[in-house]
Amino acid sequence: GAGVSQSPRYKVAKRGQDVALRCDPISGHVSLFWYQQALGQGPEFLTYFQNEAQLDKSGLPSDRFFAERPEGSVSTLKIQRTQQEDSAVYLCASSHHRTSGSDHEQFFGPGTRLTVL
Amino acid sequence: QKEVEQDPGPLSVPEGAIVSLNCTYSNSAFQYFMWYRQYSRKGPELLMYTYSSGNKEDGRFTAQVDKSSKYISLFIRDSQPSDSATYLCAMRGTGANNLFFGTGTRLTVIP
Repeated sequence: GAGVSQSPRYKVAKRGQDVALRCDPISGHVSLFWYQQALGQGPEFLTYFQNEAQLDKSGLPSDRFFAERPEGSVSTLKIQRTQQEDSAVYLCASSHHRTSGSDHEQFFGPGTRLTVL
Repeated sequence: QKEVEQDPGPLSVPEGAIVSLNCTYSNSAFQYFMWYRQYSRKGPELLMYTYSSGNKEDGRFTAQVDKSSKYISLFIRDSQPSDSATYLCAMRGTGANNLFFGTGTRLTVIP
């Protein structure tokens, strides 16, 4: 079946521009995560949704970052007034399970590579 | 200090070699330990999953967790060129949802 898809795959923005990154999770997956992966680093947690509820946004680096999942399926990560330090790969992951358990597996999308000039 | 430390490498080995990858961590609340493989310009894919301490084997891959030392390892036997990728360790606590990742170790298996 289809995995997690993300669009666009690549985005170049001028400093100060707003960008919107889309994530289509695996159908029926309750949980959705956003991670930021800087060059040469591991992914770092940004935010977590359970259905349409944003339960954890502790990883968002500033108030310029905003995420939503209004119908509990597709999610959008928006970055306002982009800065050069926002350049990274933004990964989306989804999971079937409502709560963390022993078989909680996160399936990752290919990511959106954002470059801010 | 990061919660999860991992040697970024790069690591180059000849085909057929045994590869040892490892991570250390500082948070004693971590209970679930994972190894992900990430090919260039792709998202991470789950390789191995272990709960608490112990060993787990899956084909050529063995994952070990030593909670007393806060140290986890991944062993790859009979390494193949197709194993060339970045290997990320990840972990989380009970009741938590987000994963804490290591930096990733870039592995190249030379034919």
